[in-house]
Amino acid sequence: GAGVSQSPRYKVAKRGQDVALRCDPISGHVSLFWYQQALGQGPEFLTYFQNEAQLDKSGLPSDRFFAERPEGSVSTLKIQRTQQEDSAVYLCASSSRSGQGVNEQYFGPGTRLTVT
Amino acid sequence: GQQLNQSPQSMFIQEGEDVSMNCTSSSIFNTWLWYKQEPGEGPVLLIALYKAGELTSNGRLTAQFGITRKDSFLNISASIPSDVGIYFCAGPRISAQKLVFGQGTRLTINP
Repeated sequence: GAGVSQSPRYKVAKRGQDVALRCDPISGHVSLFWYQQALGQGPEFLTYFQNEAQLDKSGLPSDRFFAERPEGSVSTLKIQRTQQEDSAVYLCASSSRSGQGVNEQYFGPGTRLTVT
Repeated sequence: GQQLNQSPQSMFIQEGEDVSMNCTSSSIFNTWLWYKQEPGEGPVLLIALYKAGELTSNGRLTAQFGITRKDSFLNISASIPSDVGIYFCAGPRISAQKLVFGQGTRLTINP
């Protein structure tokens, strides 16, 4: 596709429900990242995949958060037993270029999660 | 940990004015990225900088990689209404690809 796509764009969950957020990276992009953005703040790193391998999950706030990318393309971020503090925009980004351009990450539109 | 501090936090300017904002860190960065985010959208990459002292332009936008490698600057010339948004600086953590972001500079333009 032309860019990173995410679905759903908006999700309202009742506290305690599980949610799954999907990311379709730019075709052929090897690296995929998830970030969490609280209102009025910059994005904060959650986890990183290179192909299907999850190389860094140091930013996941609790064991209720789980991410996968089983075939090295589409990724899913799952949040179990959602809490109100999970309310945020979840951004997905991908990058492909090697060398000095490897850090140029391209973002999707985000999924706004509201936990009531 | 590595943190990026942006200033100013917000700017209110008249259309046609030039804009300057900056980003500083207590740690060295090898790459600086500038993004713009509009309401309901993800950040859009504007400029990437890779070398200390580098000056790079993208249309009316010009960014510089500070020579100490601990800061970067973004200038917008002759602002227009579509420049409204939040501008973020970002850089990769050392030995990692994950990006650290500043808290953003919110730009508002009065027509």
